[in-house]
Amino acid sequence: AQKVTQAQTEISVVEKEDVTLDCVYETRDTTYYLFWYKQPPSGELVFLIRRNSFDEQNEISGRYSWNFQKSTSSFNFTITASQVVDSAVYFCALREDNDMRFGAGTRLTVKP
Amino acid sequence: EAGVTQFPSHSVIEKGQTVTLRCDPISGHDNLYWYRRVMGKEIKFLLHFVKESKQDESGMPNNRFLAERTGGTYSTLKVQPAELEDSGVYFCASSSRQGSGYTFGSGTRLTVV
Repeated sequence: AQKVTQAQTEISVVEKEDVTLDCVYETRDTTYYLFWYKQPPSGELVFLIRRNSFDEQNEISGRYSWNFQKSTSSFNFTITASQVVDSAVYFCALREDNDMRFGAGTRLTVKP
Repeated sequence: EAGVTQFPSHSVIEKGQTVTLRCDPISGHDNLYWYRRVMGKEIKFLLHFVKESKQDESGMPNNRFLAERTGGTYSTLKVQPAELEDSGVYFCASSSRQGSGYTFGSGTRLTVV
């Protein structure tokens, strides 16, 4: 069975602070995909990143970076120099075959 | 390319009524998925269509929920009769093939009163 845990329900930071959103997953499969999605106040789910289980390289995209560690089954997401527009609910997800499981989400509030 | 479109964006209905949600996937995407997020909890899988066939409906909560995808294009999700616990946000996603990324719609916020 799969399980995705986002232990942080809500995080509040002040603009320009760095913030890390944690994601821990459980799976028995060796082939799987990990995702992060952003849900801004407008409601849609915005795709941020997909990593497969064979690629543990960390990735940086602008102010966003992801740390994938199979040894600890974690796929953490860091926003550097946060901005008010980063305020949203962020979901981590795990997919094996066609079964995608989401975490409960972390609500990030960035205050000016 | 148009994204995944969901109608309506919001729906408020009374307990016992019927509601039908619609999802138009990206043109050419054979795979269509329904998910929902209830009461601020995790987003849960409901079912998966490949073209017009139900590939996996293990997440459907009970027989008050009926999903269809006639012709393998748009899909509908009917809730009949709606209960209070059905309130939540229903998301639809599509993908061109298994293993590829999903594109989600904006969701339908359903409120049952």
